[in-house]
Amino acid sequence: GQQLNQSPQSMFIQEGEDVSMNCTSSSIFNTWLWYKQDPGEGPVLLIALYKAGELTSNGRLTAQFGITRKDSFLNISASIPSDVGIYFCAAFNFGNEKLTFGTGTRLTIIP
Amino acid sequence: GAVVSQHPSWVICKSGTSVKIECRSLDFQATTMFWYRQFPKQSLMLMATSNEGSKATYEQGVEKDKFLINHASLTLSTLTVTSAHPEDSSFYICSVETGTGGTDTQYFGPGTRLTVL
Repeated sequence: GQQLNQSPQSMFIQEGEDVSMNCTSSSIFNTWLWYKQDPGEGPVLLIALYKAGELTSNGRLTAQFGITRKDSFLNISASIPSDVGIYFCAAFNFGNEKLTFGTGTRLTIIP
Repeated sequence: GAVVSQHPSWVICKSGTSVKIECRSLDFQATTMFWYRQFPKQSLMLMATSNEGSKATYEQGVEKDKFLINHASLTLSTLTVTSAHPEDSSFYICSVETGTGGTDTQYFGPGTRLTVL
């Protein structure tokens, strides 16, 4: 099935650094979601975006819904050890709530 | 957001046996739930959409007779892997759809790790 293009695939950063990842699609979506998944756990919703151009924050996390409705990015500021995990973007359209997932970004913090 | 539980968390079974996985929406009446499968180092792949009181809708390539879904109430959906084989070993995750048109989202359960010997 279709997947969203998510980059980077992996990131290795030091604690305290900022992180940026993005997600692109060839199709338009009217809802974008960002999830974090820890090993052996289900994804946890971080941020939901419903309007093109919308910029939403959740603590140190900020996500934006691209104006073209074909992309979204997630920023994490001042990373801490518990930020380690895999981040997935996901998107869907009203009336067809099946999620299309991104390929994931694995975040590792170097001691 | 909705709180979703799954049972069991981990199951090991012999090849040829059937395994039932439960997904419960603890604080939300879910008309629609989704079942996903995730292989190591891969993203989630949708298997089927579970609709309360009606038949599930399966994604292309997912065998409906092998992966039986029952959504008998607004808080419970079950996935039964029939005649399991080693290639069915995977991480199975359910989700609950919440919200009304315009603010829909999905909350996921903690997942069930299935290992078929």
